Amino acid sequence: DAGVIQSPRHEVTEMGQEVTLRCKPISGHDYLFWYRQTMMRGLELLIYFNNNVPIDDSGMPEDRFSAKMPNASFSTLKIQPSEPRDSAVYFCASSLEGYPYDGYTFGSGTRLTVV
Amino acid sequence: KQEVTQIPAALSVPEGENLVLNCSFTDSAIYNLQWFRQDPGKGLTSLLLIQSSQREQTSGRLNASLDKSSGRSTLYIAASQPGDSATYLCPYAANRGGNNDMRFGAGTRLTVKP
Repeated sequence: DAGVIQSPRHEVTEMGQEVTLRCKPISGHDYLFWYRQTMMRGLELLIYFNNNVPIDDSGMPEDRFSAKMPNASFSTLKIQPSEPRDSAVYFCASSLEGYPYDGYTFGSGTRLTVV
Repeated sequence: KQEVTQIPAALSVPEGENLVLNCSFTDSAIYNLQWFRQDPGKGLTSLLLIQSSQREQTSGRLNASLDKSSGRSTLYIAASQPGDSATYLCPYAANRGGNNDMRFGAGTRLTVKP
């Protein structure tokens, strides 16, 4: 398996633009997680899905953020409109049964810069 | 509420030393535990996953143990190398209404000097 695949690896956009981050989980994994990492706040859980259904989105910072999982092999995290404070590295992870019952595998991340 | 503390927050050692990184949890009801490392500017790499039925796991120079009764986990690195320099993370399991997910503390930033 190729692991968790995220795209793009880097994204630079202007304030106010829409940004879409993509993630392909490991085949067969029922859980998908979106994290954001910044120097100030460390790793934060934004939202996670179980069998394509959003379970906990309490970490989504505000209405400008939205996430979807239309099928078991694809998820998107959208920011509209983007702001400079959204600059961070966004990670996607997948898991067979969810922690602590099973381990997580992380993607390489998308480094987002909003100017 | 489950919280994790990693000690030390930062550690700098000369190459070749054996070292110990610690995680402690406020709630000892831990099922499994997964150690990660993160290199600067990179993603998270899984090191070891200790299953609920196990007390420790070993991979090469790494050994991780889990003591559920005390709510502690230890990562032992033998004969440290400069390539071990990274941030080591010991995530905890947040129990929210029966759902399960992984939440991270600040980690231990390790520097191994040649």
